[in-house]
Amino acid sequence: DVKVTQSSRYLVKRTGEKVFLECVQDMDHENMFWYRQDPGLGLRLIYFSYDVKMKEKGDIPEGYSVSREKKERFSLILESASTNQTSMYLCASSLGRGNYNEQFFGPGTRLTVL
Amino acid sequence: GNSVTQMEGPVTLSEEAFLTINCTYTATGYPSLFWYVQYPGEGLQLLLKATKADDKGSNKGFEATYRKETTSFHLEKGSVQVSDSAVYFCALSAESGDYKLSFGAGTTVTVRA
Repeated sequence: DVKVTQSSRYLVKRTGEKVFLECVQDMDHENMFWYRQDPGLGLRLIYFSYDVKMKEKGDIPEGYSVSREKKERFSLILESASTNQTSMYLCASSLGRGNYNEQFFGPGTRLTVL
Repeated sequence: GNSVTQMEGPVTLSEEAFLTINCTYTATGYPSLFWYVQYPGEGLQLLLKATKADDKGSNKGFEATYRKETTSFHLEKGSVQVSDSAVYFCALSAESGDYKLSFGAGTTVTVRA
């Protein structure tokens, strides 16, 4: 069974802290994605990666960075957390090239920044 | 740019009622179209997809037809169950093949027994 796991389901951090969200997939997928989900806005793409050590900005990259040192792992970093980064963060992965490929999602991390 | 517009919720139905969630899109060429579902406390999972015009995707009693002429991909189910209560997202992946999904805002559906 395919699986995308995220390091935490719930996380509470303070303003200014550096925050790491980890995502691991066991499907040998080339592509990995980080989204944030907010009510009424759907999912918005933060960053994505189509290969190890590669990264591309999504629609809302400001305040975030990413790291992909191994194929199966994609980390989202909040360099200095702010209250407007309180949100649900979803990681996803997909296979290879082609716009018809399904993305597989992790369960999400609900981050609260105080 | 690419965008997806889906009907606003929330939608509340009784069991065995007919469900329609409208979805229209803006994109150049021939995108692939998807419906994802998010059950309470879970991540998203693919419900169905269609990759070319006039294709019909179907799964778990849900159906959606890719209509190029109306740029639509409406989701339908003839008889809903309480277990269909979830948030439904329409999404597209552009023909240009950069693997990104553009999502609609999501529609919350609640089915009452």
